[in-house]
Amino acid sequence: NAGVTQTPKFQVLKTGQSMTLQCAQDMNHEYMSWYRQDPGMGLRLIHYSVGAGITDQGEVPNGYNVSRSTTEDFPLRLLSAAPSQTSVYFCASRPVGQETQYFGPGTRLLVL
Amino acid sequence: KNQVEQSPQSLIILEGKNCTLQCNYTVSPFSNLRWYKQDTGRGPVSLTIMTFSENTKSNGRYTATLDADTKQSSLHITASQLSDSASYICVVSQAFKAAGNKLTFGGGTRVLVKP
Repeated sequence: NAGVTQTPKFQVLKTGQSMTLQCAQDMNHEYMSWYRQDPGMGLRLIHYSVGAGITDQGEVPNGYNVSRSTTEDFPLRLLSAAPSQTSVYFCASRPVGQETQYFGPGTRLLVL
Repeated sequence: KNQVEQSPQSLIILEGKNCTLQCNYTVSPFSNLRWYKQDTGRGPVSLTIMTFSENTKSNGRYTATLDADTKQSSLHITASQLSDSASYICVVSQAFKAAGNKLTFGGGTRVLVKP
């Protein structure tokens, strides 16, 4: 199993550009989520999904969209990047009913 | 406001020494508390998870304690190794929904082990 994979590892955007952060898992986990991690702060939940076709907002959803067309993939879209979205983004997954999440390696995003 | 506070923010220890990290929380209702280890440039990896009824849990040289009455937890690292250099994150779960408990993450303690 590759676990949770994320691409790209690093990305530089200009303000106003759009992009999609990819996340995939091969563990057949129903629950997937996106977090952002900023210096000195805990991870904050952006969006999550409890299964294909079902998504919901987390703590900091503004400026981000998600979709879940398959169990394996959970892409995160930035519609119009802003400098405040400079952060490290982590995707995570777990089976419903199990507590421990499995995190991907992260995507470091810099918005100029 | 539900918060998870970790201390210290960072510490440096010599290889072979022990250290203890602290986590205080105000999250309620409480479901469980977890400690994660995050190596530089990597995603967090679970070390331990404790429910309300558990007051200690070990994973190799890592021992976590929980005092649910005072809402405090600690992570003790015994005989530190260079590979213990990482950030350690305390995460508290609230029991709201069956499918997606709400998690509150601490800011982490960055540990540097020097030879």
